[in-house]
Amino acid sequence: QSALTQPASVSGSPGQPITISCTGTSSDVGTYDYVSWYQQHPGKAPKLLIYDVSYRPSGVSNRFFGFKSGNTASLTISGLQAEDEADYYCISYSTHSFVFGTGTKVTVL
Amino acid sequence: AHLVQSGAEVKKPGASVKVSCKVSGYTLTQSSIHWVRQAPGKGLEWMGGFDHGDGETIYAQKFQGRVTMTEDTSTDTAFMELSSLRSEDTAVYYCASLRGTTFRFEDWGQGTLVTVSS
Repeated sequence: QSALTQPASVSGSPGQPITISCTGTSSDVGTYDYVSWYQQHPGKAPKLLIYDVSYRPSGVSNRFFGFKSGNTASLTISGLQAEDEADYYCISYSTHSFVFGTGTKVTVL
Repeated sequence: AHLVQSGAEVKKPGASVKVSCKVSGYTLTQSSIHWVRQAPGKGLEWMGGFDHGDGETIYAQKFQGRVTMTEDTSTDTAFMELSSLRSEDTAVYYCASLRGTTFRFEDWGQGTLVTVSS
């Protein structure tokens, strides 16, 4: 199965919003509302940010928003902060498997 | 809840490696453990895990025939064994947990670096 497509990099200034897209197919993102987003700082394990397209686990900042339209899911970070500089991955359930995104490096200018 | 993995390994090409992942805070039967790897400077790659829908272990096509995932419920420990190692298998291997019947990887192990080198 092919990986979900994400932009390689996205950048923004502190306080600005940015959006990361995650494009799949009708076999994964387009069919299942089981898209989750993860943040990974260098040398660390990924951390869950968003699950089931748009839900935030307790403890995750309300600056992170997830949504989906058709075969594309998106993550918006409003009010970018220095600590948001990290790699971000989307993951979608597909029938009897999971498909991972290619990853996006977020840089805070 | 925590997932604690075994330590770093160095293996020669052609050998096998077995990585463990101990669950605490809940039990293996209350979760589904999956394995994800990350080669140096690369993205995350799903290897497989327990499908709570079917009650069977599912493997990514890329690793079928070379990976075996098992569990010891008496010690709440999951294992991932990868055989016929090659240099391209050098990576950090993570275990990650789906709790109950969810589809989100809520907890992650700290990662285990496996280096394949002659």
